[in-house]
Amino acid sequence: QVQLVESGGGVVQPGGSLRLSCAGSGFTFSGHSMHWVRQSPGKGLEWLTFIRYDGSDRYYADSVKGRFTISRDNSKSTLYLQMNSLRTDDTAVYHCAADTAMGRFDYWGQGTLVTVSS
Amino acid sequence: QSALTQPRSVSGSPGQSVTISCTGTNSDVGAYNYVSWYQHHPGTAPKLMIYDVSKRPSGVPDRFSGSKSGNTASLTISGLQAEDEADYYCCSFAGSYTILIFGGGTKLTVL
Repeated sequence: QVQLVESGGGVVQPGGSLRLSCAGSGFTFSGHSMHWVRQSPGKGLEWLTFIRYDGSDRYYADSVKGRFTISRDNSKSTLYLQMNSLRTDDTAVYHCAADTAMGRFDYWGQGTLVTVSS
Repeated sequence: QSALTQPRSVSGSPGQSVTISCTGTNSDVGAYNYVSWYQHHPGTAPKLMIYDVSKRPSGVPDRFSGSKSGNTASLTISGLQAEDEADYYCCSFAGSYTILIFGGGTKLTVL
């Protein structure tokens, strides 16, 4: 059974940092490129960042470029998102997703809530 | 880049058909056949319903179909069922800089 389980969410003050993790199981994690997608309260899904299956390429949405860093450890089947300089508009549920081809997210996690508030 | 444009809501009665549109530009939807659709019940993981404009993953009922014309993609759900009530999002590849862009989401209500 395929599972993606996010963790690391919580409440953080503006300007603070947080590191999210996404543990994969039930599929060949190292064979899939991975993404982070978020949903802010009352808003739609927003693609944030992508890392190729072997870590060779990374891309970021303009909204998080320079502040967020995606990484992965295939030996642990785990994806990470280091979030720095957090702003109140970063408040959202953060999902990780595995793709089979660009834009085809076959597997998703249920998400972890990040709240940025003073 | 702005989100793809979807209607905020659509509705239909059980057994009817509904179509959800997703309008982009000639830099995303119009440029690539990499449009996908996701069903999302809040609080759960989104589910892939359509990929590459019109392909269905295994396990997705053939009541769900996708198409594209110019800069607009569409998701059609025929034979509506109560369990189809959810939020639906389109997503398109948008080139090597923007990469991926989602629509704003459409809430489907089954009356």
